[in-house]
Amino acid sequence: AQSVTQPDARVTVSEGASLQLRCKYSYSGTPYLFWYVQYPRQGLQLLLKYYSGDPVVQGVNGFEAEFSKSNSSFHLRKASVHWSDSAVYFCVLSASSNNRIFFGDGTQLVVKP
Amino acid sequence: DMKVTQMPRYLIKRMGENVLLECGQDMSHETMYWYRQDPGLGLQLIYISYDVDSNSEGDIPKGYRVSRKKREHFSLILDSAKTNQTSVYFCASSLLPGQGRGQFFGPGTRLTVL
Repeated sequence: AQSVTQPDARVTVSEGASLQLRCKYSYSGTPYLFWYVQYPRQGLQLLLKYYSGDPVVQGVNGFEAEFSKSNSSFHLRKASVHWSDSAVYFCVLSASSNNRIFFGDGTQLVVKP
Repeated sequence: DMKVTQMPRYLIKRMGENVLLECGQDMSHETMYWYRQDPGLGLQLIYISYDVDSNSEGDIPKGYRVSRKKREHFSLILDSAKTNQTSVYFCASSLLPGQGRGQFFGPGTRLTVL
């Protein structure tokens, strides 16, 4: 079965600290993986995406993510967070085999000043 | 301009009334989606449309229907709205999902059914 798990519902970090948001997926085929960010009362915005090739992909605003096939993971990272990064982050799997899209439940990121 | 628009942004209806939510996109994407988002439940797929008059049920289609008569427009209809349909509804569009290009989301419609 295909699924996405974000094990942390809420992550709190101090401004300037590094960040990792975890994402695990379950899919036997070739995954297309995405991270989206949702600010309060807004729609989801694409941060970055992975299809193939270099397992580390760069996104907007200093975010990057690393794909690991062996660990079935696609963790999001940022070296130094800013208060404006406070939002909900969604990890998403697009299954190439059946055109289905699977969302994780989201991780609420709180950046303390 | 690569945008997904949704109208209205806020809507209050009484139980039993009909509801029409509209979505538009300017990217000529074949695929469009309707989701609802509730606290603690993430995004749930209601319907997916692969092109004009080519619609498929998502995970929670009961109580909803859709219409897509033009590629750039996708409507969500609630016939006789229920209080448990109070939610935030998001429309999205993309190239075919299997192409892995990601989705563009609208700003959402906050629907309250009293």
